Order: sequence, then structure tokens, then C-alpha cells
Amino acid sequence: DSGVTQTPKHLITATGQRVTLRCSPRSGDLSVYWYQQSLDQGLQFLIHYYNGEERAKGNILERFSAQQFPDLHSELNLSSLELGDSALYFCASSAQGIEAFFGQGTRLTVV
Amino acid sequence: EDKVVQSPLSLVVHEGDTVTLNCSYEVTNFRSLLWYKQEKKAPTFLFMLTSSGIEKKSGRLSSILDKKELFSILNITATQTGDSAIYLCAVSTSGTYKYIFGTGTRLKVLA
Repeated sequence: DSGVTQTPKHLITATGQRVTLRCSPRSGDLSVYWYQQSLDQGLQFLIHYYNGEERAKGNILERFSAQQFPDLHSELNLSSLELGDSALYFCASSAQGIEAFFGQGTRLTVV
Repeated sequence: EDKVVQSPLSLVVHEGDTVTLNCSYEVTNFRSLLWYKQEKKAPTFLFMLTSSGIEKKSGRLSSILDKKELFSILNITATQTGDSAIYLCAVSTSGTYKYIFGTGTRLKVLA
């Protein structure tokens, strides 16, 4: 158990809908990262938050947004969902750029 | 643009074989290189390398970094079926503490 908790584990939703994925980092970790992993693809970096502030953005679509709250948990919001958004979404946390620990992921299926 | 390239993309070997996985990178503000193993779901941390030429070892796995030539290798000796997984290489950058992942090497070890 990495100590990073993601909910829900699975999500099935229709095109055009909006979903929220949640991540609780390891105790004491200020950094939260979101990644998308599609079938047979590597981990695509979406966004990084550090202590509530956005630090870096990857190839995150405008339909996607994220935030990190004062208690350090983070949410990734995906809206106007398309079939191509179906993927595993991982959250990872780290302490000041030391190794990142991953949650078990949320498998999103858009039908 | 920062990038991490892994080779080979996939590899099939027999139990007892030794394998070498490669990772090359081009990033600005290199901080460290990390190896992860991904079986069913979440990537699990293997090694973090920050200095050239110093081998990190854990059981049958070892890794080394060459910061001049910008690459790392991960060696697995006496492979077992339990080593079957996707091996991911990531580079972390200072400043934004971003982790950039390669697409991974899919290793299958046959009994």
C-alpha cells in the first residue's frame, strides 16, 4: 500500500458527462501529480500541484481541470467527456521531488 | 521539449535469462531518474538515481545512470515469471519537480 488513495476505483459514464476523480496523498506529501494512461500508452503527465498551487501543466485538455485543497487532497475534473478520454487516471504524491508514490488509479470508461 | 525514450518496447525471455532495459532522456533541469515496475495497476517504485556511475542494487535488479550520455539501464538477472511487468523510466526535473515518463518496456518471462 503506497499510502495514496484514489476514489472511485472504476467509473462508467456517458459521453458529454462530467466526472470528478479524487486523490488523497500520503501523509505529509505536499505534491500531487495527475497522470493519464491509455491502453498501451505510457503515463502522460497532466498536472502538478504543490501545497495548493499549480506548479506545472502537461498536455492537459481544456475540458480537464484540477485543484488541490487546503487539506492537500486533490480533485481532477473531466467534463464534456469523449470516448477517447477512457483511460486509467493515476494520482501520485511526493515530498519535494523525491520518489513519487502512486495510487491504485481510477479506471474511467466513457460509453 | 522534455522527453524520455525507452527501449525495447517489449521483450519476451525465458526464466533464468538476463535482461537489460534502456532509458535515454533529454530534459532541462535534470534532477533524478527513477525506475518503476507496473504489474496490474499502480506503478511501484524500484530505484532513484541521481549520480553517474553509481550502481543501485536490489536483489536481482540493478541500475546505473550515465549523466554524460543521458541514459540509464535496468538489469534483471536470473529472471522469474514474477518479473513480468511493464518497466517504466521517469525523469524528475528541479524547479517544477515534474516527472516525465517513458512509454515503458513490456517484459514477459516465460516458464
